[in-house]
This record gives sequence, C-alpha cells and structure tokens, in this order.
Amino acid sequence: EVQLVESGGGLVQPGGSLRLSCADSGLTFSTYSMTWVRQAPGKGLEWVSYISPSSSLMYYADSVKGRFTISRDNAKNSLYLQMNSLGAEDTAVYYCARENRPSNRMDVWGQGTTVTVSS
Amino acid sequence: DIQMTQSPSSLSASVGDRVIITCRASQSIIDYVNWHQQKPGKAPKLLIYAASNLQSGVPSRFSGSGSGTDFTLTISSLQPEDFATYYCQQSYNIPRTFGQGTKVEIK
Repeated sequence: EVQLVESGGGLVQPGGSLRLSCADSGLTFSTYSMTWVRQAPGKGLEWVSYISPSSSLMYYADSVKGRFTISRDNAKNSLYLQMNSLGAEDTAVYYCARENRPSNRMDVWGQGTTVTVSS
Repeated sequence: DIQMTQSPSSLSASVGDRVIITCRASQSIIDYVNWHQQKPGKAPKLLIYAASNLQSGVPSRFSGSGSGTDFTLTISSLQPEDFATYYCQQSYNIPRTFGQGTKVEIK
C-alpha cells in the first residue's frame, strides 16, 4: 500500500524559509503527478502547487507564486516544497497528495506537517 | 479560477438519516469532481472520484452524482463514523479548487 510521509515542518520567523519533504513508500512514484495542499487553522483546504511526473510542468497558487518552489527526486521517491519569505498567512498544515489519472483524483494523502510562522 | 460552492456549510443529522451535500462549479467541469472526507486532526480521504465513482474501500452508502456544474454527495444512511467535514474538489484544470466544506454534526 502506498504511503506518503511528510516532514520538515516547524516554527519559523516571518521572512524565514523552510523545506518540506514528502516520501513515497511505493514503487511507482515517478509515474504520478504530485500536489501540495494546505489547511490554515480552522479553515478549509487550499491547493498550493502541482508537479508533473517528469517535473516538466509546475504550477502554483497565486498566494505562493514567486515564494514557493516545488520539486521532486524520482530516484529518491521524494517530493519537496521550498518555502521562502514566509508570512503569518502561510501558517497551516501542509499535505502532499498523489494525483491519479485519468480523473486527476487526489487518491493518496500524507498525514500532514505543521508550519507555524511566528516571531 | 473555477469556484466550487458547497451547500450547506453545516448540517445536523441523526444516525440513519439520508444526507445530501451539493456542490456547484462556476463553469462546466464535465465530471472532474471529487469528494473528500476529513475528520478532525486527520488528513483528507478520497471518497468519490469523477463525480460518481466509489474509491476502493469506501462503504457503498456513499454515492455521487452530477455533471457539468452541479454535483451531489449522498450518504444513504448516516453512521457514527461519518460525522466529519466533506469537501468537493475540481480536477478539471489548474488551479485545483475546493469547496468551502460541509460539516456534518450529530443532532
């Protein structure tokens, strides 16, 4: 059974940086698109970023564009989110999720990692 | 961006009740809608994909329908473990967008 495990969350000061990781225990990581979704405290789900299987396509929500960078290492079955210039509005639980074709459904989710931006 | 509007935002129901949650997209998304369940402190879980397909391992009391812009999630007989927040989500294009959620509470 595929399992996604996020890490790298923590407390960071405004303006700081963090790098989140998402490790896939399966054998087919390289064939799936991946996404990051976040959830601010007490709020709903917000899509953050997408990367295609070969990293040829990457997309970002307007709220993070220019500050966040998504990447992946298929040899290591890992997904990353580099987050720079963090602000209080980025405080959230960050989930990685696998997108499965043909419906692009997010069918496997990680357990989430918490990012808190505060001085 | 495609807006996904869910209703109601919350509801109270009893065990055994039939529950219907609706989701409207701001433009046609054909059948590219998915439904996720989230319990407090837990990650979302996919229930229904492509509008009406039951994800593997999900109980058959959950069903989805609709096409174009209007979609529904139905729980035929609410069970204690179904009290949670439900989100619709479009996967027609990017940015992916979610509805604001429907919290199903115990009456």
